[in-house]
Amino acid sequence: QQQVKQSPQSLIVQKGGISIINCAYENTAFDYFPWYQQFPGKGPALLIAIRPDVSEKKEGRFTISFNKSAKQFSLHIMDSQPGDSATYFCAALSSGNTPLVFGKGTRLSVIA
Amino acid sequence: DAGVTQSPTHLIKTRGQQVTLRCSPKSGHDTVSWYQQALGQGPQFIFQYYEEEERQRGNFPDRFSGHQFPNYSSELNVNALLLGDSALYLCASSLGQGQTQYFGPGTRLLVL
Repeated sequence: QQQVKQSPQSLIVQKGGISIINCAYENTAFDYFPWYQQFPGKGPALLIAIRPDVSEKKEGRFTISFNKSAKQFSLHIMDSQPGDSATYFCAALSSGNTPLVFGKGTRLSVIA
Repeated sequence: DAGVTQSPTHLIKTRGQQVTLRCSPKSGHDTVSWYQQALGQGPQFIFQYYEEEERQRGNFPDRFSGHQFPNYSSELNVNALLLGDSALYLCASSLGQGQTQYFGPGTRLLVL
């Protein structure tokens, strides 16, 4: 059973555009939702994370939107750049209970 | 500030052999988690070590075992290697089983 469902599987965005990646979860005990960025041959790097007591968190060009009632959260990358081309993973965990579980990833390509 | 380090970077083994992978956590962190990432997939949780004990374990067979040393570094051991064990093995560290986990670059294991 996949606990975190991520879409789309791949995404192509024009330079300067907005990239949007969506995730949905089922376990209502999840209380921490990070996003990771991974380049080929590298380990995942923590981008931004949110807890369910807020609906939005912004760090630079990256924004997480969180909808607790719908059990969904999304990553928005504003002014997307070719250097943003990577695989993005959403994840979730329940503090002291479940380990970090990942979505299957979204391969983002930003083209000039 | 030293991040998470892993060794070796690459490893080739044959079926039936045993392998040991090593991880040093980020400075100030005391908890180490191990993940297996198959090609094109998200990381899958193997187990977590805190205070030199295995605290949580994912759905992996007993062939996968680990250890944490007093300096918080950790080893992942895999016995009786199978072709399906070929993957990127990631180590992540955190403070006191905290939510924020930082990943190392991984060890790429190929089983022939």
